[in-house]
Amino acid sequence: KQEVTQIPAALSVPEGENLVLNCSFTDSAIYNLQWFRQDPGKGLTSLLLIQSSQREQTSGRLNASLDKSSGRSTLYIAASQPGDSATYLCAVVYNFNKFYFGSGTKLNVKP
Amino acid sequence: NAGVTQTPKFRILKIGQSMTLQCAQDMNHNYMYWYRQDPGMGLKLIYYSVGAGITDKGEVPNGYNVSRSTTEDFPLRLELAAPSQTSVYFCASRDRGRLNTGELFFGEGSRLTVL
Repeated sequence: KQEVTQIPAALSVPEGENLVLNCSFTDSAIYNLQWFRQDPGKGLTSLLLIQSSQREQTSGRLNASLDKSSGRSTLYIAASQPGDSATYLCAVVYNFNKFYFGSGTKLNVKP
Repeated sequence: NAGVTQTPKFRILKIGQSMTLQCAQDMNHNYMYWYRQDPGMGLKLIYYSVGAGITDKGEVPNGYNVSRSTTEDFPLRLELAAPSQTSVYFCASRDRGRLNTGELFFGEGSRLTVL
């Protein structure tokens, strides 16, 4: 069974801090990995997509890395802001069609 | 810029009732998915479709049915609703993409309560 784990489940940091969210997966034979943001009561918004052949992707203050051999991905958020407060989920694609989701890290950035 | 549209946003059902959650996308995506999200949990795949006329079961298909008669629409049918089906349901779609690795797009969700 494919498992995706995100640690920590919750994180609270002061504004301006750099932070790292972690995602680990049991099987390294992935097609790609996608990071999402979910605001309360809302759907998921895609942040970054890393193909299996890539090591990292960057978008603004966000940087996602992928290490297939160790079964890990990290999402780095630079200079955090209160508007970054949300739940961040990672999803791993093992075959053409199935995305397996972690349970998310709930981030609170304090002003 | 509609993307993935889900209706209804909220619904309360009595045990044993049936209903259909609607999902439509206007991006001409081949792949469509239904997920459920329970509090504090990740998303679990219910059913998915790789194109019109083709559907397949995900991790938690029991108690649900789907159909895909058009590229745009992918309704989820709940038969004989049970309290265990209380959840938030998300529809998603994606294009095939290069090397079949297209990005996943989500609707805003349908919050269902079964009493």
